[in-house]
Amino acid sequence: QKEVEQNSGPLSVPEGAIASLNCTYSDRGSQSFFWYRQYSGKSPELIMFIYSNGDKEDGRFTAQLNKASQYVSLLIRDSQPSDSATYLCAVINNYGQNFVFGPGTRLSVLP
Amino acid sequence: DTAVSQTPKYLVTQMGNDKSIKCEQNLGHDTMYWYKQDSKKFLKIMFSYNNKELIINETVPNRFSPKSPDKAHLNLHINSLELGDSAVYFCASSQGYVGTDTQYFGPGTRLTVL
Repeated sequence: QKEVEQNSGPLSVPEGAIASLNCTYSDRGSQSFFWYRQYSGKSPELIMFIYSNGDKEDGRFTAQLNKASQYVSLLIRDSQPSDSATYLCAVINNYGQNFVFGPGTRLSVLP
Repeated sequence: DTAVSQTPKYLVTQMGNDKSIKCEQNLGHDTMYWYKQDSKKFLKIMFSYNNKELIINETVPNRFSPKSPDKAHLNLHINSLELGDSAVYFCASSQGYVGTDTQYFGPGTRLTVL
């Protein structure tokens, strides 16, 4: 079983819709969870991170964490064509000794 | 002002050669990293240095050796390059340890081994 899994996509949503990106992880000791965005040919950039169960909102982005079910999701409200990118989920445990990225989900927001 | 810079941006070389990629950050961060992103876009951490001390050394071949002359620089030297080394290599930095602080990535170095 892969440590961090994501649907590779592409996930296509119309402009203005909510995009929902999901990530599951295998290590129950995982402590911190991160969402990165990577535009084609560019470097990853951190969108947000979450440590505690529940929701965390930042502008149009909401991260949701459910440690019991071992999944973390990212919701993007009012999706824009500029949100079209690959979204990488990353998970860390053991105080930084195991930092793993998922394969990424490619999101396409259609105008 | 570039926060994390890498040189070169592109590197094309023959199998068996030795090459280096340089990374510099002007953010005053204590921790620097090297990542490899292969053709399938998997991003994998290779090394992490905190105040010039290695704190993560993932299972990468020992042909790869990080060198940190000071906390603003983390260079990656690769010996005896192989075809499978072709990838994009990203340098990154953060103030604290990996996962506890925002990481800032460099623009990447696309390495092609022929």
